[in-house]
Amino acid sequence: DGGITQSPKYLFRKEGQNVTLSCEQNLNHDAMYWYRQDPGQGLRLIYYSQIVNDFQKGDIAEGYSVSREKKESFPLTVTSAQKNPTAFYLCASISEAGQGREKLFFGSGTQLSVL
Amino acid sequence: RKEVEQDPGPFNVPEGATVAFNCTYSNSASQSFFWYRQDCRKEPKLLMSVYSSGNEDGRFTAQLNRASQYISLLIRDSKLSDSATYLCVVHTGYSSASKIIFGSGTRLSIRP
Repeated sequence: DGGITQSPKYLFRKEGQNVTLSCEQNLNHDAMYWYRQDPGQGLRLIYYSQIVNDFQKGDIAEGYSVSREKKESFPLTVTSAQKNPTAFYLCASISEAGQGREKLFFGSGTQLSVL
Repeated sequence: RKEVEQDPGPFNVPEGATVAFNCTYSNSASQSFFWYRQDCRKEPKLLMSVYSSGNEDGRFTAQLNRASQYISLLIRDSKLSDSATYLCVVHTGYSSASKIIFGSGTRLSIRP
């Protein structure tokens, strides 16, 4: 079955440590997105990528980095510069139909906590 | 001003009631509009797309007003299982500038 796989489900970060969240899709989608969700809040866009080797900052990119070396993979690194990383992180990709017929596919999320 | 704004609620209504959610967006170049439903600590699930002519899916009706940059969701005959957070989603831009922006969500609780 096609879909998006995020790992790990739970992740703990120590002070000053960089951690990387994995996102893999086998849907052959070009566009992929990373969102952060805090308790009781909506999803905020961190980074997005439309094609391989290209990505753009979203609304809250500071303290995060991404890469898009392969179409299937869009890993997110939470760097030590992100002072408040505790949140639920969601990766998504989108089908190409357009005109309101595109569909977002989500991974099951990674809960990141600071030790 | 946020790109996509929603009333955060919470809405607490009895079973069987009709409830309406509203959402405004700031970018007139926005192309596509959606309502997603999210249960606690789960990924959002597509409820319905929103088309210019308005569209209905069972108890759910979505409307789009491009002139006012406003979309709405109406839930009729609400069920206990409708309790969730409802997210307004706007797809803006083209090609490499394409962004998908979520509203902050409206919480709905249906009571027996």
